[in-house]
Amino acid sequence: DQQVKQNSPSLSVQEGRISILNCDYTNSMFDYFLWYKKYPAEGPTFLISISSIKDKNEDGRFTVFLNKSAKHLSLHIVPSQPGDSAVYFCAASPIFSSGNTGKLIFGQGTTLQVKP
Amino acid sequence: DAMVIQNPRYQVTQFGKPVTLSCSQTLNHNVMYWYQQKSSQAPKLLFHYYDKDFNNEADTPDNFQSRRPNTSFCFLDIRSPGLGDAAMYLCATSRDQARGYEQYFGPGTRLTVT
Repeated sequence: DQQVKQNSPSLSVQEGRISILNCDYTNSMFDYFLWYKKYPAEGPTFLISISSIKDKNEDGRFTVFLNKSAKHLSLHIVPSQPGDSAVYFCAASPIFSSGNTGKLIFGQGTTLQVKP
Repeated sequence: DAMVIQNPRYQVTQFGKPVTLSCSQTLNHNVMYWYQQKSSQAPKLLFHYYDKDFNNEADTPDNFQSRRPNTSFCFLDIRSPGLGDAAMYLCATSRDQARGYEQYFGPGTRLTVT
């Protein structure tokens, strides 16, 4: 039972264009969503997050959109740069309760390739 | 630089031979996590420590144990590794919920079981 799904294993875009990475979730008890970026031989690094009370959060070239009714979020990168080439993980955290401190449930990742 | 360190980066063990993976952090975070990630799959939480309180995920096999002797260190013990335990093991830390669940990850330990 995969609660967080990234249905596109890979995405290729041209430098300067927009990259859109998608993520779907099934659990309505998630209240916080995060995107992580992972380069080869490194651990995932935090990129951007959004609370369930918002529908958009922007940080420089990165914007995350949340559609709660569709249980869908997306990460937009514009303009895309070759250095953005990495694996991107979507993650969700359930509403805090005892024993769930900061627990994250990850999607399986999307490999983004940005071509020069 | 404050960071999360995992040793070793690569570990080879024999089927059934106990193995310990280590994680240390200089961030002084009170929560530490262990994830298992198999090829092309999502990282899966095995357990976490909130300070000294151990929280095991319901589906984590008994073969996996953890120790946290102090704030800085956390260990993952696999008592009798099977071929299915070959994976990347990721350690992560967070400062409870102060930063909206943001977790800081180490580079991982790649475990091979022969």
